Amino acid sequence: SQTIHQWPATLVQPVGSPLSLECTVEGTSNPNLYWYRQAAGRGLQLLFYSVGIGQISSEVPQNLSASRPQDRQFILSSKKLLLSDSGFYLCAWSVKGTDNSPLHFGNGTRLTVT
Amino acid sequence: KNEVEQSPQNLTAQEGEFITINCSYSVGISALHWLQQHPGGGIVSLFMLSSGKKKHGRLIATINIQEKHSSLHITASHPRDSAVYICAAAESYNTDKLIFGTGTRLQVFP
Repeated sequence: SQTIHQWPATLVQPVGSPLSLECTVEGTSNPNLYWYRQAAGRGLQLLFYSVGIGQISSEVPQNLSASRPQDRQFILSSKKLLLSDSGFYLCAWSVKGTDNSPLHFGNGTRLTVT
Repeated sequence: KNEVEQSPQNLTAQEGEFITINCSYSVGISALHWLQQHPGGGIVSLFMLSSGKKKHGRLIATINIQEKHSSLHITASHPRDSAVYICAAAESYNTDKLIFGTGTRLQVFP
C-alpha cells in the first residue's frame, strides 16, 4: 500500500534561519507531488507541484523553493525564513495520468517562525 | 468573493443528528473534492465527484453541475466526525489545479 511520510511534525525557527522540510512517498512510482500551505484561518494554498524528478512548478512567488532530487522525494526549502512563512505545510501526492486523481496528504508540518 | 465558498463556517451538532455542509463554486469544474482535516492537521480525501452522488459509509456527497453546488451529508453523526471539512474545485482534469474552500469546522457532541 502507498504511504507518505512528512517530517518534522512541528518546527520552531527564528526569522532569517534556513528551512528544509522533507516528504517521501512509498508504494508508488512516478507520482505527482505537491506542497501546500495552510495559514491560520485560511484555506489550503498550492505552493509547488512536480510531475517528475527535477521538474518543479511554482504557483506563487515567495521566499520558498522546492526540489525533487529523487522520484519519491520532495523537499521544501528556504534560505531565510520570514515571519509570514509560519503556517501548516502539507505534502501530497497523486497518481499521474489519471484524470482528477485523488490527493493523498501527509500529516503536515506546523512551522512557527519567531 | 472566493471562487469556492462553503457554508456554514462552523457547525455544532448532537450525536446522531443529520449534518449537511454546502459548497458553491463560481468556476467551471471537471470535478469536486471533499476533504476531511482532523484536529491534528492531517487531511484525508473523502470523495471526488463530477456528477450525481457518492456514498461511503455514513457519508454522502452530491453535486449539481448546473447549479454549481455540492453538499456533504453525514448521517447519524458521531463525535469522531468532528473535523474540518474542505471542498475543492478542480478547474481542469489535472489535480494540481484545485481551488480550495476555507473549510467548515464541525463539532459533534455526545
